[in-house]
Amino acid sequence: DGGITQSPKYLFRKEGQNVTLSCEQNLNHDAMYWYRQDPGQGLRLIYYSQIVNDFQKGDIAEGYSVSREKKESFPLTVTSAQKNPTAFYLCASSLGTASSYNEQFFGPGTRLTVL
Amino acid sequence: GESVGLHLPTLSVQEGDNSIINCAYSNSASDYFIWYKQESGKGPQFIIDIRSNMDKRQGQRVTVLLNKTVKHLSLQIAATQPGDSAVYFCAENNYGQNFVFGPGTRLSVLP
Repeated sequence: DGGITQSPKYLFRKEGQNVTLSCEQNLNHDAMYWYRQDPGQGLRLIYYSQIVNDFQKGDIAEGYSVSREKKESFPLTVTSAQKNPTAFYLCASSLGTASSYNEQFFGPGTRLTVL
Repeated sequence: GESVGLHLPTLSVQEGDNSIINCAYSNSASDYFIWYKQESGKGPQFIIDIRSNMDKRQGQRVTVLLNKTVKHLSLQIAATQPGDSAVYFCAENNYGQNFVFGPGTRLSVLP
């Protein structure tokens, strides 16, 4: 069953803690993305990666970090430096970059709540 | 469910009627557009896409219209069903840039 998986579905964090959200895809896609979704707003890009061992900051990268050691995996770490981390986090992947008319496929999301 | 789109505009339609959801995009240079459907607590699902060299594209029960003059995109859903209830949002892309996503519209199908 091909697709994108994210885990966990729900995550609770205490203030000052770092947490890592998992994203795995078996679609053999080169590009992967992390978005944040807040009520009433469009998706905002946190980080993206077009190829293994390379990634770029998106519009709201502060307080987040990523790695891309394997093609199928793109974990996101929410650090204690992120001042308002409570949100719904979505991972996506595409065959290539958005510039080549490639649709993005989304995972089911992780709901992060800071206690 | 997830609190996605708490303050979104809502469109309510009777089951069986046609729905029209609108999106105003921001960049006149955008050349690729996608409509997504997002059910509560889930990730967005691709519905249909259109390139800027077209003004209409049809899928199964859905049609996307593009008016580049006024930077407007619409999604028409024929014979709306209860399973169509969700948040719908558009995404625009300018060649070489990343997607920009709209906030969405909540579609509520009344029995």
